[in-house]
Amino acid sequence: QLQLQESGPGLVKPSETLSLTCTVSGGSISSRSHYWGWIRQPPGKGLEWIGSIYYSGGTYYSPSLKSRVTISVDTSKNQFSLKLSSVTAADTAVYYCARHFRPSSAVLSWIDPWGQGTLVTVSS
Amino acid sequence: QSALTQPASVSGSPGQSITISCTGTSSDVGGYDYVSWYQQHPGKAPKCIIYDVRNRPSGVSNRFSGSKSGNTASLTISGLQAEDEADYYCSSYTSSTTVIFGGGTKLTVL
Repeated sequence: QLQLQESGPGLVKPSETLSLTCTVSGGSISSRSHYWGWIRQPPGKGLEWIGSIYYSGGTYYSPSLKSRVTISVDTSKNQFSLKLSSVTAADTAVYYCARHFRPSSAVLSWIDPWGQGTLVTVSS
Repeated sequence: QSALTQPASVSGSPGQSITISCTGTSSDVGGYDYVSWYQQHPGKAPKCIIYDVRNRPSGVSNRFSGSKSGNTASLTISGLQAEDEADYYCSSYTSSTTVIFGGGTKLTVL
C-alpha cells in the first residue's frame, strides 16, 4: 500500500524559504502513471494546489505561487521536495504531499493517496 | 484562476439525499472529465471519493455518486449517515495544465 510522509521544519521565519520533503513508500516514484504533488490548507480554510512533478522532472505550478515555488524529485531516494521562498504569515498552512493519477501526458487527474500533512507556521 | 464555486454549507437528516454543486468554466469543469471530489474529516487528510466525474475508488460506498452538466459538477450522497458529516471539496484539471479546487462545502447531518 502506497504511503506518503511529509517532513521538514514546523516553524519558518518571514522572508525565509520553506522546505519540505515527501518520502514515498510502498511503491516507486518512477511510475509513468502518476505525478507527485503538493497541496496546502491554511487553518480553517480550503485546499490550494501548489504544484506537481513527474519522475523525469517535468513540473507544473500554480500561477499564483509560480514565482516562489520549486518542486524537485530524487528518484534514488524515492522522494520529492517543495521549496517556497520569501514566505509570509499567509503561507502558514498544513502542507500535504500526494499522488496524482496521470491518464495521459500533461494531465493531472485525481489525487490519492495523501500524506497525513504537516503544519508549517511562518512567524518570527 | 479563481476557485471553483461550491455552497459553503449543506445539511440533511439521516437517510435523506443531498447534492453539492461545483461550478467552474469551460476551461476547467466544462472542458474536461477530470473532476474529482474529496471528503475531509476534521484533523484528517482529504480522501478521494469520486474521480473522473462519476467513478468511485475502490472501497468507497456506492452511496456517493457524481455527475456533470456543462460547467457544473455535482456530488450526491444518498442514505445520509452521521459519518458523512465532513467537508467536501471538488477539484478539476484546467486548460492551463493546473489543478483547481472548490472552496469547500461543510455537510451537517442533522
